[in-house]
Amino acid sequence: DAKTTQPNSMESNEEEPVHLPCNHSTISGTDYIHWYRQLPSQGPEYVIHGLTSNVNNRMASLAIAEDRKSSTLILHRATLRDAAVYYCILRDQTNQGGKLIFGQGTELSVKP
Amino acid sequence: DGGITQSPKYLFRKEGQNVTLSCEQNLNHDAMYWYRQDPGQGLRLIYYSQIVNDFQKGDIAEGYSVSREKKESFPLTVTSAQKNPTAFYLCASSIDWGRNQPQHFGDGTRLSIL
Repeated sequence: DAKTTQPNSMESNEEEPVHLPCNHSTISGTDYIHWYRQLPSQGPEYVIHGLTSNVNNRMASLAIAEDRKSSTLILHRATLRDAAVYYCILRDQTNQGGKLIFGQGTELSVKP
Repeated sequence: DGGITQSPKYLFRKEGQNVTLSCEQNLNHDAMYWYRQDPGQGLRLIYYSQIVNDFQKGDIAEGYSVSREKKESFPLTVTSAQKNPTAFYLCASSIDWGRNQPQHFGDGTRLSIL
């Protein structure tokens, strides 16, 4: 399985943009990049996913490098409710592509 | 509202006892999953079901069993063979098994040993 590397933790100020990086240098051409986040004592929540092009939705934006070896999740204006662990996950085309392989993620703290 | 309901929220197991965790979804999703999360760790896949009446072992299936008799239900039994069952258990579902489909999670069941 292709792996991802994320910083263990990041800090942000409220109402400022946050850029959460993810490295995936062994990504294959058909792997999807997914992002989930998990608040304390809750189940993970889907944030966004993409393949090659940048993606936007109501929660965030996903910027994918041209060589696809890295990506960045962008929260445009952080709120206190965005404090969570953010997971960057690759999903491949094999029969195991349906499962999510969670790494350690990035713990984001947001300061008022 | 559509979603995934897990019950109970907290569960205690005595030594040698089997316990069953409930997972129900009203999203009309074909695929369902069970994950286990230990403190400070990411999620690990226990079992998954791509469609009703079918299920497959995940990465850590030993000591667990499941059934998928109805599309909306995917209960997980933690048997006495699971020697370290204390964990946070999460159920998820997705439209299908495809790699571009998001998974939707319940709020989890926290299992502890008495």
